[in-house]
Formats: sequence, structure tokens, C-alpha cells
Amino acid sequence: AQSVTQPDIHITVSEGASLELRCNYSYGATPYLFWYVQSPGQGLQLLLKYFSGDTLVQGIKGFEAEFKRSQSSFNLRKPSVHWSDAAEYFCAVGRNAGNMLTFGGGTRLMVKP
Amino acid sequence: DVKVTQSSRYLVKRTGEKVFLECVQDMDHENMFWYRQDPGLGLRLIYFSYDVKMKEKGDIPEGYSVSREKKERFSLILESASTNQTSMYLCASSSPTGATYEQYFGPGTRLTVT
Repeated sequence: AQSVTQPDIHITVSEGASLELRCNYSYGATPYLFWYVQSPGQGLQLLLKYFSGDTLVQGIKGFEAEFKRSQSSFNLRKPSVHWSDAAEYFCAVGRNAGNMLTFGGGTRLMVKP
Repeated sequence: DVKVTQSSRYLVKRTGEKVFLECVQDMDHENMFWYRQDPGLGLRLIYFSYDVKMKEKGDIPEGYSVSREKKERFSLILESASTNQTSMYLCASSSPTGATYEQYFGPGTRLTVT
């Protein structure tokens, strides 16, 4: 069965510092991979997705993620964090031809001024 | 602008009550989903509907049922609410065409069962 692990429950970074959020997945076939962000009191918003092709994908708000099949990872990165990036981030893997998602437990990002 | 709305942001119910959570989307999406969100567990899929009157169990369907009588509306029903169903409930929709698979989420309903 598919699963997603986000090893870091909480991360705190200083504003302007770089960010990497980790995601490891378990899935038997070629995965469809997603990163979503949930700002306080909001629903989830899609940041980026990977289906195939270039393993480095660009998303909204200056985020990017790299798919590494050998490591079963899909880590999210941002070169310079802004205070408005404070939120909870969820990695997900798609199944049933991508129509259904299995989510990781989430990583809560706090940004220090 | 795409929109998924949920009938309540906060709901307090008593143990044993029948609870209805409503979700409406205005994007003409075929797929609709109900998740529950708990700290440390992320989102877990309760039920999935891929067409009117069609549904599929997700990962944690026990204690829940769903109804989809119209394409735009997907209801989650707790037949007899229990305290372990206190949680945040999120509805989402997507279209299987275009191969984007992006799910659009509502703001959530925080349900407390006392």
C-alpha cells in the first residue's frame, strides 16, 4: 500500500533563510506527487505537482521540488523564506490514476523575523 | 475563480446525534472527496465520489456515509456521532479530465462531538 512520510513535524527557519521540507513515499508504480500548503484557517492550496519528465518542478510562490526515484523522495525547497510562508505543508502521492491522494502527516513551518 | 464551500466552519454536536456536513462545488467537477484532518496524521480519505450516486470507500469509512444526489453537492453523514469523530473535515473536488489531478479544497468544518 502507498504511504507518505514527512519526517519533520515542526521546522523553524529565519526569514530570508533557505528551506527544505522532506517527503518520502512508498508506491509500487510511477508516482504522481504533490505538495499542498495550508495557511491558518484556510483550505489546502496546490503548490506544485510531478507526474513525469523533468525531475525538478517549479511551483507557485517561489517553491520547487525535486523527484528522486532512487531515494523515493520529493523534497520541497525555497531559496529565501518569507514570513508569509508560515503554514502547514503536506506532501501527497496519487493513486487510482492520480484521482485519489494519500497524504503525509504534514510539516508545520514557523518563520522567525 | 474555483470554489468549494462547506456549510459550516464550526459545529458542536452531542454524542449519538446524526450529523450532516455539506459541500458544494461550482466547477462542474466529477470527483468529490471527504477527508478528515488530525494533528500528526495529515489528511485521511473517508469517501470518494466519481459521479452522481457513485461512491467509493476511502481509507477510514467506518462510522460515516455519504450522499451525492447532484453533481455539485456531496454530503458526509455521521449516523451516530461519537467523540472520536471530533476533527477537522475537509471537502475537495477535482476533474479527471485534463490529467491535472489537482484537488480543490474547501475551508473545512471543525466538528466537536461532546
